[in-house]
Amino acid sequence: AQKITQTQPGMFVQEKEAVTLDCTYDTSDQSYGLFWYKQPSSGEMIFLIYQGSYDEQNATEGRYSLNFQKARKSANLVISASQLGDSAMYFCAMREGHEGNNDMRFGAGTRLTVKP
Amino acid sequence: DSGVTQTPKHLITATGQRVTLRCSPRSGDLSVYWYQQSLDQGLQFLIQYYNGEERAKGNILERFSAQQFPDLHSELNLSSLELGDSALYFCASSATGTDQPQHFGDGTRLSIL
Repeated sequence: AQKITQTQPGMFVQEKEAVTLDCTYDTSDQSYGLFWYKQPSSGEMIFLIYQGSYDEQNATEGRYSLNFQKARKSANLVISASQLGDSAMYFCAMREGHEGNNDMRFGAGTRLTVKP
Repeated sequence: DSGVTQTPKHLITATGQRVTLRCSPRSGDLSVYWYQQSLDQGLQFLIQYYNGEERAKGNILERFSAQQFPDLHSELNLSSLELGDSALYFCASSATGTDQPQHFGDGTRLSIL
């Protein structure tokens, strides 16, 4: 079964508007971490933001925020005031805490295009 | 700069050949991961090492092997290369814990002619 699901293969947003990239996850662990990465066309993988399963507040990092809904098992990335440089692939990932296995699982990614 | 160093950045070779990709993790990180990303595809997890020991295995072909050395650097060996092995190969490293992100190197772009 898929651990991380990103249902939007591609998204478009107008420059300066906000956009939400969806991510749902599946785990039976109580302790886990959720991560978002950005991959621009140049290819590098850039870590954006982290949310812990016990965190009561949504994580924020500059224009990035994570809309964490634990009961629904969703961890959507919100990018505010989109910029042309935000055009990239975005990957959601999860790291579980059960013993012997804390490698990270990645979703299939969402390609975001910011239109001028 | 993620602190993870991968060499070489680009590699062009022919079918049937063997190559070695190298990775130096971030200082202090004990875990090293290898991923394969084919064109416009997601990340395929290949293998994980923790402090020199193999920890987890993903969709790694038998033609591929890896190891992590006592100084924690890692190498991914790809042999009997096929056209379909052309891809971007990433190394990542992390500290232990569910709150620790993986930090990625810039990748090695492998082209098989």
